[in-house]
Amino acid sequence: GENVEQHPSTLSVQEGDSAVIKCTYSDSASNYFPWYKQELGKRPQLIIDIRSNVGEKKDQRIAVTLNKTAKHFSLHITETQPEDSAVYFCAANSGGGADGLTFGKGTHLIIQP
Amino acid sequence: NAGVMQNPRHLVRRRGQEARLRCSPMKGHSHVYWYRQLPEEGLKFMVYLQKENIIDESGMPKERFSAEFPKEGPSILRIQQVVRGDSAAYFCASSGGGGQFFGPGTRLTVL
Repeated sequence: GENVEQHPSTLSVQEGDSAVIKCTYSDSASNYFPWYKQELGKRPQLIIDIRSNVGEKKDQRIAVTLNKTAKHFSLHITETQPEDSAVYFCAANSGGGADGLTFGKGTHLIIQP
Repeated sequence: NAGVMQNPRHLVRRRGQEARLRCSPMKGHSHVYWYRQLPEEGLKFMVYLQKENIIDESGMPKERFSAEFPKEGPSILRIQQVVRGDSAAYFCASSGGGGQFFGPGTRLTVL
């Protein structure tokens, strides 16, 4: 089955700086890679996703890049703000279709004022 | 446009009792997924259902756990004879074939 590794587990950046979170996956058949933001006690919120026919996708301050050959994908947040503080999870589907997702263990992003 | 609904939000059960968790998908969504999240951990896939069908239950324990998504009404995750290790947040998500959108979760505490 799919295995998703996520790094780092904790990331502290100064407000205004950029943050990068990296994930690798194992199943070459995976073709859908979403990112979720989860605040304490709240539901995971889908913030951006990418499919395997695209190498990069951007939405305002958030971007995701995908390297299918190397089986890794990354989340980039620019001009970080205090409200970006949360736990971020990457995920991959299990080989195509509307499958269940395999999640990374999460990155606790801390924005220092 | 109501999002994914789950109830109850908090559920307390004693060991050996049954827990029933309900999930109503977003309007127009026919795919429902259940995930379990332990404190300080990521989400673990349990089961994927479409109306009246279980598509993938590979992440669900074979004993004590069952799920259904009837033609009418919400999807239900049932845990029989709960044990302390079942204490967790249980999230459902729904999809119309694209991204999965999560409900607020049910936090199950087993005493």
